[in-house]
Amino acid sequence: SQTIHQWPATLVQPVGSPLSLECTVEGTSNPNLYWYRQAAGRGLQLLFYSVGIGQISSEVPQNLSASRPQDRQFILSSKKLLLSDSGFYLCAWKTGGGYEQYFGPGTRLTVT
Amino acid sequence: AQSVAQPEDQVNVAEGNPLTVKCTYSVSGNPYLFWYVQYPNRGLQFLLKYITGDNLVKGSYGFEAEFNKSQTSFHLKKPSALVSDSALYFCAVRDGKAGNNRKLIWGLGTSLAVNP
Repeated sequence: SQTIHQWPATLVQPVGSPLSLECTVEGTSNPNLYWYRQAAGRGLQLLFYSVGIGQISSEVPQNLSASRPQDRQFILSSKKLLLSDSGFYLCAWKTGGGYEQYFGPGTRLTVT
Repeated sequence: AQSVAQPEDQVNVAEGNPLTVKCTYSVSGNPYLFWYVQYPNRGLQFLLKYITGDNLVKGSYGFEAEFNKSQTSFHLKKPSALVSDSALYFCAVRDGKAGNNRKLIWGLGTSLAVNP
């Protein structure tokens, strides 16, 4: 069966510090991968998605970036965090021919 | 433009009563529709989807949803609510055009509270 991992689970970082969040998927090959941000426990904002290694599509121009160095690894990064980057970050995957996305447990980021 | 609306921020029901969480959508092609549930500080869990076929779709935990093309709706239902159903529910839609990287359009969520 497939499993998706995210770490860390929680993170408190000062403004201006770098960020690296990692997401890995087990039990599937060549998944589509997604990064979302959820602010204030409500709506989901799609940040990035990837259909293959090195293929990243950005949905919202901001100080975040994403990389996919391996087939089942998706990394969200920032060189300098802003207060507005605080939120709940969710990684998701789906099979290339599938319909529904499956979500990881999330990372709670607080920028102070 | 594609969109999803969940007209109720919060729904309150008594345990044992039927529940309905509403969703309406707008897409240019045939819709692919989804419901997810989120418990506090957790990731979203997939409940059910409509792609094609029978308008009544059954999913996890006793939930079902009815696709109504004329009303462009996909309401989530359960015959008898449990306190443990209290959570945040999201509706999402994808335009059914070809391409495996089509994005989901998400509603803002409806908070369901089931009172004992």
